[in-house]
Amino acid sequence: EDQVTQSPEALRLQEGESSSLNCSYTVSGLRGLFWYRQDPGKGPEFLFTLYSAGEEKEKERLKATLTKKESFLHITAPKPEDSATYLCAAGADNAGNMLTFGGGTRLMVKP
Amino acid sequence: DTGVSQDPRHKITKRGQNVTFRCDPISEHNRLYWYRQTLGQGPEFLTYFQNEAQLEKSRLLSDRFSAERPKGSFSTLEIQRTEQGDSAMYLCASRSQETQYFGPGTRLLVL
Repeated sequence: EDQVTQSPEALRLQEGESSSLNCSYTVSGLRGLFWYRQDPGKGPEFLFTLYSAGEEKEKERLKATLTKKESFLHITAPKPEDSATYLCAAGADNAGNMLTFGGGTRLMVKP
Repeated sequence: DTGVSQDPRHKITKRGQNVTFRCDPISEHNRLYWYRQTLGQGPEFLTYFQNEAQLEKSRLLSDRFSAERPKGSFSTLEIQRTEQGDSAMYLCASRSQETQYFGPGTRLLVL
């Protein structure tokens, strides 16, 4: 059974304090590893898609990396507006490529 | 705005009533997904359409749930005889290549 696990569940950072969020996955035939940001009461907002081990993508203060078992979302010098829940999801090699999500990491950045 | 839209954004109903939600995907996307998200959890897959064909259904989709996409454009999700356990955020997504883009969700509260 496909499984995605995120850690930590919650993370408190001071503004400017860099850190990383972890996403471990067990999926038969990975089609893509996806990162989303979700603000309270809203739908997930797409951030990155990673397709193969060794791939990296960056956007502003965020950088996503992928290995054969894990993905990391690195946050460099975060700002309070980066506070949100970050969701990781794996798309499997099946007919529909439905996503299996982790439970999310709730990030709080204090000024 | 050419993103995924959902209607209504919020719905409060009494146990035993029927409810229907609508999703309008991004116009050129032929694949559409429904997910359910409860508080503090990641979204869980419910069902998937390619054009008007419903190709995949999760075990989570009990007999009280039905989804349609009659002309391959918008989709509806109906829940009959609602139960308190149906309270959740219902998310719709449409897909381009491997990436799914989510709408704002419909938050359902069953009293």
